[in-house]
Amino acid sequence: QVQLIQSADEVKKPGASVKVSCKASGFNFNSFSFSWVRQAPGQGLEWMGWIDSNNRRSEYSRKFQGRVTMTTDTSINTVYMELRSLGLDDTATYFCGRGGDSPDYWGQGTLVTVSS
Amino acid sequence: SSGLTQDPGVSVALGQTVRITCHGDSLRGYFANWYQKKPGQSPILVMYGKNNRPSGIPDRFSASYSGSTASLTITGAQAGDEADYYCNSRDSSGYFFGGGTKLTVL
Repeated sequence: QVQLIQSADEVKKPGASVKVSCKASGFNFNSFSFSWVRQAPGQGLEWMGWIDSNNRRSEYSRKFQGRVTMTTDTSINTVYMELRSLGLDDTATYFCGRGGDSPDYWGQGTLVTVSS
Repeated sequence: SSGLTQDPGVSVALGQTVRITCHGDSLRGYFANWYQKKPGQSPILVMYGKNNRPSGIPDRFSASYSGSTASLTITGAQAGDEADYYCNSRDSSGYFFGGGTKLTVL
């Protein structure tokens, strides 16, 4: 069955970086793009970007341009999202999804807490 | 301009029909997706494109469009449908979500 398993929750200091991983199984990894969205406590869903696992093409939300990088490692069917220069308002649960246009399967979420 | 607008909250009596709307200029050129989101859970795609349901989503869910408005209709609402619903679309600058609608089933 399709599964997306994300890395464990993280606690970071302001100014630090975080790299969240998302390991896929149960389908042909190379045939899909992957999206990242986040949800801050008590807030709505926020789209961050997507990456094509085949050609590495990516598109990022303007809000995160210059601060986010999404990568893939096709040898281990894993997609990564790195967010740099973390601020307190980056505290959120980050989700990876299969697909760029209409993600249909999602990881369980990774809580990133930014605290001094 | 970017941006999708949703009503913050909508209620429906058990077994009745409810429509959740999403307004935005981008919807004149792009279809919307609809996600169901419950606290502590991952999003669930319930409708995508013109009027497509992923496998496993009951046919009580449907989508429609009129001008700059996309709608998600739930026919025969059930207690398990109580959740936040988000529309999602894109424009030339990327994808974005609406603010979400909290559906309460009475």
